[in-house]
Amino acid sequence: EVQLVESGGGLVQPGGSLRLSCAASGFTFSTCIMHWVRQAPGKGLVWVSRIHPDGNTPMYADSVKGRFTISRDNAKNMLSLQMNSLRAEDTAVYYCISYCLGAPLWGQGTLVTVSS
Amino acid sequence: DIVMTQSPDSLAVSLGERATINCKSSQSVLKSSDNKNYLAWYQQKPRQPPKVLIYWASTRESGVPDRFSGSGSGTDFTLTISSLQAEDVAVYYCQHYYSIPLTFGQGTKVEIK
Repeated sequence: EVQLVESGGGLVQPGGSLRLSCAASGFTFSTCIMHWVRQAPGKGLVWVSRIHPDGNTPMYADSVKGRFTISRDNAKNMLSLQMNSLRAEDTAVYYCISYCLGAPLWGQGTLVTVSS
Repeated sequence: DIVMTQSPDSLAVSLGERATINCKSSQSVLKSSDNKNYLAWYQQKPRQPPKVLIYWASTRESGVPDRFSGSGSGTDFTLTISSLQAEDVAVYYCQHYYSIPLTFGQGTKVEIK
């Protein structure tokens, strides 16, 4: 089955760290550009980061630049997002997404809550 | 950044009637190399992830009812629900995937009149 499954979300204190994972299956992950998008509670969808198939030239939204790091392990079909120096405004559901199959493919999301 | 602007912000339509949502991009999302519009439409219900309805501006995703259709090219796009059903109550988003950053419209809330 073609799918993306996120994990790693949870409750973290401001200033803390969290690492999100996205497991890909059913397609050739190693050839696909991958993205992270987030949605704060009751708000719209916002792009966070992108990584090329070879892991080079990652790109980030200004709001997370210098704090978040996107990476991938093509041997394990896994995408990751390391989130450091977390702030209350990073509270959101985080989705991993691929556009390499024609139709966009989204995971079900993982909730990150930053609160003391 | 490409700004995506949807209209209206909300609309109420009677069951069985047509619903039309517009989406305008601040620059063209039509790529000349493949003549494709890098534009998708999503439906989102509470506590659910966005569901892909339309991609390449007019290609219906597998399993999506044919009452949903997408049209337009360049900078102006439309999502049409030809005969609104109760299960179509949701927020609808357009999104371009032409360049980085990917951006989304602000959402249109569709309700039953």
